[in-house]
Amino acid sequence: SQQGEEDPQALSIQEGENATMNCSYKTSINNLQWYRQNSGRGLVHLILIRSNEREKHSGRLRVTLDTSKKSSSLLITASRAADTASYFCATPTNTGNQFYFGTGTSLTVIP
Amino acid sequence: EAGVAQSPRYKIIEKRQSVAFWCNPISGHATLYWYQQILGQGPKLLIQFQNNGVVDDSQLPKDRFSAERLKGVDSTLKIQPAKLEDSAVYLCASSPNRGNTQYFGPGTRLTVL
Repeated sequence: SQQGEEDPQALSIQEGENATMNCSYKTSINNLQWYRQNSGRGLVHLILIRSNEREKHSGRLRVTLDTSKKSSSLLITASRAADTASYFCATPTNTGNQFYFGTGTSLTVIP
Repeated sequence: EAGVAQSPRYKIIEKRQSVAFWCNPISGHATLYWYQQILGQGPKLLIQFQNNGVVDDSQLPKDRFSAERLKGVDSTLKIQPAKLEDSAVYLCASSPNRGNTQYFGPGTRLTVL
């Protein structure tokens, strides 16, 4: 499979704690994107990090990218119950012709 | 700005029947994607359009699936005939251009009995 893989598959934390999920991918990329999917809904874009960037922040989100290891991590700080969702990393190929989503991390934040 | 619209939201059919899904992307978005998401898995790209041309359909089962994007705006995805393993959520997404942020519709949940 050319898809990425998220780790862990499932994560359960208490409200207020930080959540970290990791993504590994196989192809060369121009950018890597993280998406959130609430149960039964479409995906929502969270953040995009370009291949020449190592770290990016957006509100309570922090994304890192290590192209030498073909891996990325998403950190959600001070988690809230509303953060409960599945999180996917996505990688377009250099040509943009293909777009690969990982297997997802299911995050549960307990109030 | 209106989001990506999809219809229907739910569809139940019997195997060997036909079904069609419709997608209206965000106005001005050149790129349109159709994904299949099986329960518990990440979305799998079926076909990508750039305006009204196909960029990639390498993962589209062409013996039963077809898609078109007439006039480079709306798109339809058809399955004929459906199999049990086609039960999934079919997601449509659009993007200003290839490789950029995608905006997803709510999806169509297909159940094949």
